[in-house]
Amino acid sequence: TQLLEQSPQFLSIQEGENLTVYCNSSSVFSSLQWYRQEPGEGPVLLVTVVTGGEVKKLKRLTFQFGDARKDSSLHITAAQPGDTGLYLCAGGKYGGSQGNLIFGKGTKLSVKP
Amino acid sequence: SQTIHQWPATLVQPVGSPLSLECTVEGTSNPNLYWYRQAAGRGLQLLFYSVGIGQISSEVPQNLSASRPQDRQFILSSKKLLLSDSGFYLCAWSPAGGVYGYTFGSGTRLTVV
Repeated sequence: TQLLEQSPQFLSIQEGENLTVYCNSSSVFSSLQWYRQEPGEGPVLLVTVVTGGEVKKLKRLTFQFGDARKDSSLHITAAQPGDTGLYLCAGGKYGGSQGNLIFGKGTKLSVKP
Repeated sequence: SQTIHQWPATLVQPVGSPLSLECTVEGTSNPNLYWYRQAAGRGLQLLFYSVGIGQISSEVPQNLSASRPQDRQFILSSKKLLLSDSGFYLCAWSPAGGVYGYTFGSGTRLTVV
């Protein structure tokens, strides 16, 4: 069974702090996505990374795909209350079951003003 | 641009009653379509996926079924709801292949009483 382990499960920080959340697996993925979900809403795709070692930036968010394409991290600089939400990572494989993604269980982030 | 519509947003149903949740996608053709269920604020459980009209794959044996009567329409049904069917249901679509990420609907909060 392919698993994506996310850590930490919960994170509560003050506005202005930096944080990193992790997504790890023993499997190699063709691509890895990060989503953010707010309560009562569907997840929203933030980024897709496909190349080992790739780094992508989205304003204060920095995403990195591990060299071996088994893990990824999301770093947020100077967190704001608007960053609060559930962060999900998902891995995809070419030739996988009809393009299905494997989702981690998520990191629930709370940023207090 | 592509959009996904999912309804209703909330639903309260008695045990033993039928269920029909609908999802439609606009602005694309031959999408992969997915139904997920999410436990309270946590990870996503894939229920069904479809790569074409009338083609449904089930990931988890349960009290639910899915149908795809048209290319961009995906329906989740049950003949008799159980208390355990309560949850947050999400529809999603992706281009064929799907390893580059999904677009989710806004979800349906189902409470079985």
